[in-house]
Amino acid sequence: ETGVTQSPTHLIKTRGQQVTLRCSSQSGHNTVSWYQQALGQGPQFIFQYYREEENGRGNFPPRFSGLQFPNYSSELNVNALELDDSALYLCATRPGRNEKLFFGSGTQLSVL
Amino acid sequence: KNQVEQSPQSLIILEGKNCTLQCNYTVSPFSNLRWYKQDTGRGPVSLTIMTFSENTKSNGRYTATLDADTKQSSLHITASQLSDSASYICVVSGPSPDKLIFGTGTRLQVFP
Repeated sequence: ETGVTQSPTHLIKTRGQQVTLRCSSQSGHNTVSWYQQALGQGPQFIFQYYREEENGRGNFPPRFSGLQFPNYSSELNVNALELDDSALYLCATRPGRNEKLFFGSGTQLSVL
Repeated sequence: KNQVEQSPQSLIILEGKNCTLQCNYTVSPFSNLRWYKQDTGRGPVSLTIMTFSENTKSNGRYTATLDADTKQSSLHITASQLSDSASYICVVSGPSPDKLIFGTGTRLQVFP
């Protein structure tokens, strides 16, 4: 077990809707990053939060947004869902910059 | 452009056999290189992390090597087991420790 929990595990939405994915991690893991993984592909970096502030972002539009809370939990919000948003969304946390990443099991999002 | 390429894309071996997966990268400057194992529909799990000065690192039946001069890494699996069936992802950190670049993975299938 990695100590990182994501919810829900599966989700089905329709195009145009909004979705919130959640992640909780171990105490002391100040850094959380979110990834999108399409079928058969490697994870693509969405953004990273450190101590509740976004400090890195990948090539994703503004309708992908996030929050990190003082209790080490975080959220990924996606507005105006598109069919191509269907993917496995992974949350990963770590206690320091060079430390091992701990991944959650992911949320499988299907957009119909 | 910073890239991580893995080969082969997929591999089938018989239980008990050894295999080697390859990772080539063009990331510069380089901070560290990680190998992850990802079961289908699950989050990646860390196998090894190597810095610039490390040539080899083992984790049970998994041995990773790194040649920072040629920018190549390999993951050798000894005496494969059915549970080794998964995707193996090479991840390179750089140009800053926070920036992780993922390969697309090698899909390994171990048959009895």
